[in-house]
Amino acid sequence: DTAVSQTPKYLVTQMGNDKSIKCEQNLGHDTMYWYKQDSKKFLKIMFSYNNKELIINETVPNRFSPKSPDKAHLNLHINSLELGDSAVYFCASSQGGSFAGESSEQYFGPGTRLTVT
Amino acid sequence: GQNIDQPTEMTATEGAIVQINCTYQTSGFNGLFWYQQHAGEAPTFLSYNVLDGLEEKGRFSSFLSRSKGYSYLLLKELQMKDSASYLCAVLDSNYQLIWGAGTKLIIKP
Repeated sequence: DTAVSQTPKYLVTQMGNDKSIKCEQNLGHDTMYWYKQDSKKFLKIMFSYNNKELIINETVPNRFSPKSPDKAHLNLHINSLELGDSAVYFCASSQGGSFAGESSEQYFGPGTRLTVT
Repeated sequence: GQNIDQPTEMTATEGAIVQINCTYQTSGFNGLFWYQQHAGEAPTFLSYNVLDGLEEKGRFSSFLSRSKGYSYLLLKELQMKDSASYLCAVLDSNYQLIWGAGTKLIIKP
């Protein structure tokens, strides 16, 4: 069984479009995350979210918004896509959230490769 | 600012031992993680250190010195499948995970 799944795996779209990436975890974890990994392979945290708190990296443009219909899902919606948004986006989850030390070990989804043309 | 430094790339020989270093300057410290990421795949957890010393897990060991802001990942009996990027990440005082840029390890026969 897949622990953290993302769809789609590949997404090619034009500038200006709006797109969503879905993420689901079946681990019963409390906290979910979205990361962006650019061509230089640097992992950048975008959001962390549990049922109590949304933490937003202040460098993330407000065109990006997380949406969580329930504890097991955290989708990423992107408005007005730009060329610089091209990257691999990873969803992740952890048991106890960042406050729980080792329990903050994160399980990553397979990634979504977004290409904006 | 917060900073995590790792070598960009390292090369080692199959069967040998390699040590990947990580130094950090963060606002507080609540633990250090090592992750492995194969090309085109997601990062996977390798180890967690919060106290000084060496933690061993099979062929992989991770060391931490909090006073020096330093950690290393030691890989023994290298196999071709160990070719991957190795990411160091630190939990800061706000329990935010700060990631290094990763070290690409190339294993040669």
